[in-house]
Amino acid sequence: DGGITQSPKYLFRKEGQNVTLSCEQNLNHDAMYWYRQDPGQGLRLIYYSQIVNDFQKGDIAEGYSVSREKKESFPLTVTSAQKNPTAFYLCASSIGLELNYGYTFGSGTRLTVV
Amino acid sequence: GNSVTQMEGPVTLSEEAFLTINCTYTATGYPSLFWYVQYPGEGLQLLLKATKADDKGSNKGFEATYRKETTSFHLEKGSVQVSDSAVYFCALEGNTGGFKTIFGAGTRLFVKA
Repeated sequence: DGGITQSPKYLFRKEGQNVTLSCEQNLNHDAMYWYRQDPGQGLRLIYYSQIVNDFQKGDIAEGYSVSREKKESFPLTVTSAQKNPTAFYLCASSIGLELNYGYTFGSGTRLTVV
Repeated sequence: GNSVTQMEGPVTLSEEAFLTINCTYTATGYPSLFWYVQYPGEGLQLLLKATKADDKGSNKGFEATYRKETTSFHLEKGSVQVSDSAVYFCALEGNTGGFKTIFGAGTRLFVKA
């Protein structure tokens, strides 16, 4: 079955450390997204990518970086510059920027600073 | 800019009760509207969608009608089950001023047996 795989499910980061969250999809979707979800809150867009080798900042990109070297993969790095990284991170994909299809989400990575 | 407003939760219902979760939106042009559901510890799943005025989206007993005159897309279910306990997100995909999907803040639903 096609879908999005996020790993790891749980991740612990020490202060000052960079960590990378993996997101892989086998849906042949062009567009991919990273969202951050804090407890009891909605989703905030971190970065998105419309095609390979291209990505754009979302609403809260500071302290994060991404790459899109392959269509299937869109890893997110949480850098030491992100002062409050503890959150639930969701990766999503869509067919493209065409409307009406909605998003497919992964099952998320819960990041905790220790 | 575009925005989505959902009723605040939590909403607590008894099993077999009728559910309504309100969602209103502000958008230019003719957006598409979606409802997503998030079960504990999981990602979001697309529940239903509507792409033009008066369309009704439906899935798993849930329904929502795209009302352009009231800019609303309220989620309804006639008889909820304990397994429907989750967080529900209303979302909008605009077709002007950029593609970005806007999510509401989410409404948590608890269903008691």
